[in-house]
Parts: sequence; C-alpha cells; structure tokens
Amino acid sequence: AQKVTQAQTEISVVEKEDVTLDCVYETRDTTYYLFWYKQPPSGELVFLIRRNSFDEQNEISGRYSWNFQKSTSSFNFTITASQVVDSAVYFCALSEWMVSGRETSGSRLTFGEGTQLTVNP
Amino acid sequence: ETGVTQTPRHLVMGMTNKKSLKCEQHLGHNAMYWYKQSAKKPLELMFVYSLEERVENNSVPSRFSPECPNSSHLFLHLHTLQPEDSALYLCASSQRAGGTSTDTQYFGPGTRLTVL
Repeated sequence: AQKVTQAQTEISVVEKEDVTLDCVYETRDTTYYLFWYKQPPSGELVFLIRRNSFDEQNEISGRYSWNFQKSTSSFNFTITASQVVDSAVYFCALSEWMVSGRETSGSRLTFGEGTQLTVNP
Repeated sequence: ETGVTQTPRHLVMGMTNKKSLKCEQHLGHNAMYWYKQSAKKPLELMFVYSLEERVENNSVPSRFSPECPNSSHLFLHLHTLQPEDSALYLCASSQRAGGTSTDTQYFGPGTRLTVL
C-alpha cells in the first residue's frame, strides 16, 4: 500500500525566513507521480507541482523549490524568503493510476497528513 | 466561471434531513472525485467517476449517495447523517490521461458540512 508521511505537523517562522517542508513516501510502483498542494484557510486545495518518478531534477519556481530524491524516497518543498501569505496547510501526495479494464480511469491520490505553516510578520 | 466550483460552501443539517452537495468542473475533464477531510485526519477518497461511470467506492456508508449525470457535474446526496460526518467535502476533477502523461487533480473550494 502507498503511504505518505509528513512528519512536521506545524511549523512557525518569521517572515523572510526560509522553510523546508518534509515529505517521505512509500510505494511499490516503479512509475508514480508526486504532488504538493497548498490549502489556505478558504479550504480549496491549490495545485503547486507534480513530479514524475523518472525525473529527479530539482525544480524552482519563484520562491518555491522542490528537492526530489528517489534514493531516500523524499520530495521536500522549500519556501525561500517566506511571506505571511504563505501561511497555509501544505499537503504532499502520491498518485497511482486507476485502471478499469484496459483503460486508465483516473488517479488515486494518497495524501500525507499535512503541515500547517504559519508565517508571522 | 473557471476551475471547479462547489455549492453550497457551508451547510448545517440535522440527522434526519436530506441534502445534496453539488460540484461542477469547467476544465473539460473526464474524471471527478469526492474527498472527505475531517479534522486531524488525512484526506480520504470517497468516490471516483470516470466518464460518468463510478469506478471507485471506498467503503463509504450508504447514507452518502453519489451521482454523476455528465462529465461536468457531480453530486453527493446526503441522508440520515451522523455528527461524525461533519467535515469538509472536497470535489476534484482530472483529465483521466493515460500512459506516461500526468493526471493532475484540481480541487474545488469545498463544502463545510455540520451535522447536528
């Protein structure tokens, strides 16, 4: 069975600090995708990034960067120069394909328990 | 409207009421999902529909009844709920891509349900 662990339940930082959110996963699949979502107080899960298991290149998008290490089954997320608007719950997720007959019918996401990030002014 | 919308955003109901949650996606996707998010618990997948056909029912009690009349709309009919069913119910949609393509799920804002 797939499993995603986000060991940090809550993190509190002061604005402009860098912060890293950890994510460790377990899967028997050789092909899989990893995701990060942000959930602000409004409730909607906002898609941030997906990563294919064959692509271990790190990615940077503005103040966000992701470090994918297959050898340690980790997919960590770093926010540089954090801002108050970054305050939210962040979820790491692992997907597997759902197959119905010969066709792919969608994906099943396994989520971690989330990390509540609070950025104080 | 764009993306995934859900109505109502908030719902309070008694245990004997019958209500429905509505989800609509404007992304041209072929798969739709219902998730339950309770306090202190990971998101739980409830139902998956692909091309209006239910492909997953994750051991959800029968007091939750999904309906997918077309690929853009998804409903969750509720009846005789329990207080422990109070949660945020999230709808998502995806392209149902196959092969090596990604299948990213996009979420709506959720319906916060309180059962008294």
